[in-house]
Amino acid sequence: EIVLTQSPGTLSLSPGERATLSCRASHSIANGYLTWYQQKPGQAPRLLIYDASSRATGIPDRFSGSGSGTDFTLTISSLEPEDFAVYYCQHYDGSGFTFGGGTKAEIK
Amino acid sequence: QVQVVQSGAEVKKPGASVKVSCEASGYTFSGYFIHWVREAPGQGLEWIGRIHPNSGGTDYAERFQGRVTMTRDTSISTAYMELSSLRSDDTAIYYCARGKGGTAAFDYWGQGTLVTVSS
Repeated sequence: EIVLTQSPGTLSLSPGERATLSCRASHSIANGYLTWYQQKPGQAPRLLIYDASSRATGIPDRFSGSGSGTDFTLTISSLEPEDFAVYYCQHYDGSGFTFGGGTKAEIK
Repeated sequence: QVQVVQSGAEVKKPGASVKVSCEASGYTFSGYFIHWVREAPGQGLEWIGRIHPNSGGTDYAERFQGRVTMTRDTSISTAYMELSSLRSDDTAIYYCARGKGGTAAFDYWGQGTLVTVSS
């Protein structure tokens, strides 16, 4: 089973700043199935990015995903007030799904 | 529009079972996986398993094997997740979500069902 490690645990930034969130896999992800979700308190997760770099329907273009192998990144080019939330990466290895521990983006 | 609506909160005693429902609308129910994910207090997200409504075929995460059963009723576009032998550490919000076709992502999520296990 591939373990996903997200860093940093907490990201303290101001609106308008660029956010870079990391998701590192314990083994290389060959199938490209790396997904990013956003979750706000009291809400269900929201799909942002699938297949490492494809934006989901309705997701603003300030959100972008990149990476391959073991290192993946979610970038928010300019933080809006509504972007402060917890972000999770997720992988499917053909037999099951695993999530990273999450990165909390908080207002500095 | 696609909607996924779950049943209400449950309180159960240790050792009991809980069955959560997930009603889908706005798309062809039989064409997409339904996944179940939980979020324990202060914890992250954990995948429990999935069911394909067309065949009824299931895949469960290893740690839930033997304790979880996923079923569906295609006549009412509803999926179910039953978890047995409940323990206090099963206290969590349980979500169902639709699998996005052709990818490994979950695109539409239910609102979540809080299951509390307490004596």
